[in-house]
Amino acid sequence: ILNVEQSPQSLHVQEGDSTNFTCSFPSSNFYALHWYRWETAKSPEALFVMTLNGDEKKKGRISATLNTKEGYSYLYIKGSQPEDSATYLCALNSGGQNFVFGPGTRLSVLP
Amino acid sequence: EAGVAQSPRYKIIEKRQSVAFWCNPISGHATLYWYQQILGQGPKLLIQFQNNGVVDDSQLPKDRFSAERLKGVDSTLKIQPAKLEDSAVYLCASSDKGLRSNEQFFGPGTRLTVL
Repeated sequence: ILNVEQSPQSLHVQEGDSTNFTCSFPSSNFYALHWYRWETAKSPEALFVMTLNGDEKKKGRISATLNTKEGYSYLYIKGSQPEDSATYLCALNSGGQNFVFGPGTRLSVLP
Repeated sequence: EAGVAQSPRYKIIEKRQSVAFWCNPISGHATLYWYQQILGQGPKLLIQFQNNGVVDDSQLPKDRFSAERLKGVDSTLKIQPAKLEDSAVYLCASSDKGLRSNEQFFGPGTRLTVL
């Protein structure tokens, strides 16, 4: 059974702070890594799909990097805003259509 | 494009009762997934359908959980009888097999509380 880990489990930051969190996965079972943002009472929203070692992707103030050789991905949020408060999930796809999700990082941005 | 629809959004039942959830995937998506997300954990796959056939139900507690996708479009997930530990968010997702990224699109979930 593949194990995907995320840290920290939860995070509280002040508005305007920059923050980052980690997703770790077995490097031997990699096809793609997906990042999702899940706000309370809404659908998980896809942020990034990352496939190549060294990938860097950016969407507004959010960016992500990928290291498939050592099995980790970082998600960065620059200048956090209250609307960034959500649970951030990463999911490992090892080929095929199945995902293995990490437990998520719950971010709270305080105004 | 309409997203994945789920109903109900919230459900509270007592243990040993039965409950059913409904999901309508994105039009044209052949693959449909049901996940269980317990507080503090990541979503766990319960069952995956390809059209109306089951691809993976290895983590479905078959003594109490059942799911069907009879016409290869919408799907229902049933729990009978419910236990306290079934309290969770039940997420439905769909994907288009033609997408190289295998990206999954999620509904808003059904939050189940078992008392």
